[in-house]
Amino acid sequence: GENVEQHPSTLSVQEGDSAVIKCTYSDSASNYFPWYKQELGKRPQLIIDIRSNVGEKKDQRIAVTLNKTAKHFSLHITETQPEDSAVYFCAARVYGQNFVFGPGTRLSVLP
Amino acid sequence: DTEVTQTPKHLVMGMTNKKSLKCEQHMGHRAMYWYKQKAKKPPELMFVYSYEKLSINESVPSRFSPECPNSSLLNLHLHALQPEDSALYLCASSPDRGPTEAFFGQGTRLTVV
Repeated sequence: GENVEQHPSTLSVQEGDSAVIKCTYSDSASNYFPWYKQELGKRPQLIIDIRSNVGEKKDQRIAVTLNKTAKHFSLHITETQPEDSAVYFCAARVYGQNFVFGPGTRLSVLP
Repeated sequence: DTEVTQTPKHLVMGMTNKKSLKCEQHMGHRAMYWYKQKAKKPPELMFVYSYEKLSINESVPSRFSPECPNSSLLNLHLHALQPEDSALYLCASSPDRGPTEAFFGQGTRLTVV
């Protein structure tokens, strides 16, 4: 089955700096890669996603890149703000299968 | 309406109690999921319903019993739980099991005493 790894497990950046979180997946049939942000005590919320026919997607300060050959995808957050502090989960999904989540990255943005 | 609604938000139950968690969505989604999440861990899949039929049971103990009365509702019946079952229980839905996002409910924080 699919296995998703995620690095780093914790990340601290200064406000205004960029943050990058990387994930790798094992099943080459995976075709959908969402990123979820989860604040303490709250639900996971989708912040950006990418499908396997696209290499990069951007939404304001957030971007995701996908390298299908290497089976890895990355989340890039620019101009970080304190409210970006949360746990971020990447996930991968094969059509007709279920989401497999990475172990999560705890991002702290220091003012 | 792009919400998945879960009730109750918090639940404390004894090991001999029977309780139910409820989940509702009105987005016309045909796949619904129960996840269990422990602190500092990712959501862990428990059950998947696809078109109101149970399609996946991830070897969950029988003290957890899912039910999908109709396409909008998903229940999780709890009986004879253990303290280690204390966790955040998340319901989610997606249009189907294709390459689309899952929408999560706010979760039920369950404490077993």
